[in-house]
Amino acid sequence: DAKTTQPTSMDCAEGRAANLPCNHSTISGNEYVYWYRQIHSQGPQYIIHGLKNNETNEMASLIITEDRKSSTLILPHATLRDTAVYYCIVRVVVGGGTSYGKLTFGQGTILTVHP
Amino acid sequence: DTGVSQNPRHKITKRGQNVTFRCDPISEHNRLYWYRQTLGQGPEFLTYFQNEAQLEKSRLLSDRFSAERPKGSFSTLEIQRTEQGDSAMYLCASNLQRGEAFFGQGTRLTVV
Repeated sequence: DAKTTQPTSMDCAEGRAANLPCNHSTISGNEYVYWYRQIHSQGPQYIIHGLKNNETNEMASLIITEDRKSSTLILPHATLRDTAVYYCIVRVVVGGGTSYGKLTFGQGTILTVHP
Repeated sequence: DTGVSQNPRHKITKRGQNVTFRCDPISEHNRLYWYRQTLGQGPEFLTYFQNEAQLEKSRLLSDRFSAERPKGSFSTLEIQRTEQGDSAMYLCASNLQRGEAFFGQGTRLTVV
């Protein structure tokens, strides 16, 4: 699986948009970009994923550059409960033999939302 | 609650003892994964099952670790002769073949 690079930490004011960047310059054509977050002492929680088009759901938006080498997760109106570690992961979903589907986590970005 | 369930949530054991953790995935999910997470690090993949077949094991999974998923439903992860370095959060996740993975709350193991 391709590696990802994320900033170690970011801050955001409550009510403002949080924009979390991720670089994945070695991504392959059959790899999707996934975002998970982990709130302290809990298991990771799925947020959103995409292949090449921008995606939006009730939690967040995902913007993927045209060359697919980077992406940005956007939390439109951050709340204190969004304070967590955010992981950007590239994952083989189509093809890739029997091992596709497993997630390879990096260090993630610690997002702190402050009042 | 129809999410991924892990038991126990916490386990304290003495070095050298054996421990077993259980994971109940979401009922229709055919894939089940085990991860280990130490403080300050992201989860690390250990092994995964498709139905009852164990299809991949990480090199992190030493001979003291064994995982099973009889009948393709719940799974157990056993650690024999525990060492202090085994102290970690053990996470279980499940998904359908191409769907997003859902994680349990984890079992925190402390070896003293």
